[in-house]
Amino acid sequence: NAGVTQTPKFRILKIGQSMTLQCTQDMNHNYMYWYRQDPGMGLKLIYYSVGAGITDKGEVPNGYNVSRSTTEDFPLRLELAAPSQTSVYFCASSYSGGSNQPQHFGDGTRLSIL
Amino acid sequence: AQTVTQSQPEMSVQEAETVTLSCTYDTSESDYYLFWYKQPPSRQMILVIRQEAYKQQNATENRFSVNFQKAAKSFSLKISDSQLGDAAMYFCAYRGNTGNQFYFGTGTSLTVIP
Repeated sequence: NAGVTQTPKFRILKIGQSMTLQCTQDMNHNYMYWYRQDPGMGLKLIYYSVGAGITDKGEVPNGYNVSRSTTEDFPLRLELAAPSQTSVYFCASSYSGGSNQPQHFGDGTRLSIL
Repeated sequence: AQTVTQSQPEMSVQEAETVTLSCTYDTSESDYYLFWYKQPPSRQMILVIRQEAYKQQNATENRFSVNFQKAAKSFSLKISDSQLGDAAMYFCAYRGNTGNQFYFGTGTSLTVIP
């Protein structure tokens, strides 16, 4: 029962480099989300998707891009890494947009930009 | 945007005792959902309990219960018979009935003292 799987778990990037954080879920969930969690802070929504082919910005989308070509996958791309993007990134999914549906989270990706 | 406030950055409780974590929120919506998530050192986000705003009865899940005061916009979490495994960061989250976004508080770090 894999749930939400994120890769990699840790990564160090140099300023200006690019990378893609992978997220996949095997629960056939329509909704998927990307959050960042800075030290001592709660989660901030970066982007979300309500289904394949549909994405929308959250609270802090600048510096990131997403795509949703399949129901299962929702990769997050950093084009020009900046120190301010050092954070822990969480991917989450939920069955529908029904407000009582909880989110299922991945284990997170710890990203450091040096 | 809705805001969620957790005013207790850190709390501690003796094993087997009871502790209450506070959460307040600000919204103009009348129908919404509230959640408590637990984040242990493993970083995984785990749903603890949820509450529908239209329900007057407070939600309960085993040792975890909430005190939901809609008029005061307060949503506290009570943990009874605290166990060492309860030690974690606890996040309060809000989701409106019409939006797709979750809003998280900044978290409360709970220490359980043997």
